[in-house]
Amino acid sequence: GNSVTQMEGPVTLSEEAFLTINCTYTATGYPSLFWYVQYPGEGLQLLLKATKADDKGSNKGFEATYRKETTSFHLEKGSVQVSDSAVYFCALNPQAGTALIFGKGTTLSVSS
Amino acid sequence: KAGVTQTPRYLIKTRGQQVTLSCSPISGHRSVSWYQQTPGQGLQFLFEYFSETQRNKGNFPGRFSGRQFSNSRSEMNVSTLELGDSALYLCASSLVRERATEAFFGQGTRLTVV
Repeated sequence: GNSVTQMEGPVTLSEEAFLTINCTYTATGYPSLFWYVQYPGEGLQLLLKATKADDKGSNKGFEATYRKETTSFHLEKGSVQVSDSAVYFCALNPQAGTALIFGKGTTLSVSS
Repeated sequence: KAGVTQTPRYLIKTRGQQVTLSCSPISGHRSVSWYQQTPGQGLQFLFEYFSETQRNKGNFPGRFSGRQFSNSRSEMNVSTLELGDSALYLCASSLVRERATEAFFGQGTRLTVV
């Protein structure tokens, strides 16, 4: 079946540190891949997406590359800020329609 | 432009009762999906509606049902509530029913079953 595995948190970093949150997936066919973010007290919002192999999604300094050979979609940011503290969810959309399969989420805490 | 609106924001129900949650999508959005979020299981897909028809359903018992109206507003119903149904229920709307379409999420309804 379809599934998403992402690294367990929490991840605790100092401001300006490099961030990687690992995400791997299992899916039939060619899913679309997403990173959603949930800031404290807010709803989930799309951070970035990629729709085919080797696509790179980017937004707000975050990047992730769709790697079909390793079935991965790792999230990276070169220099995190305190305002990046949030829960990050990796997700895939395996078929026609808008149903999303989510990973368990990774809590990021950035201190100044 | 107003976002996705879910009502009520909080609910407390007793085991065995039923509950109805409401979701108003962003104006013009025709696809609505529902998710259950719990600390143990994370975010799990419940069902997807488009043009008043259920298009996809997740692995949940028949006690969970939903519907969509002609104005795209959606409701989900849970009958015979169990303690394990306590969760944050999230609704998401999308403009169209395409795989890479962005989903916009509401703030959720926090259901507590006692």
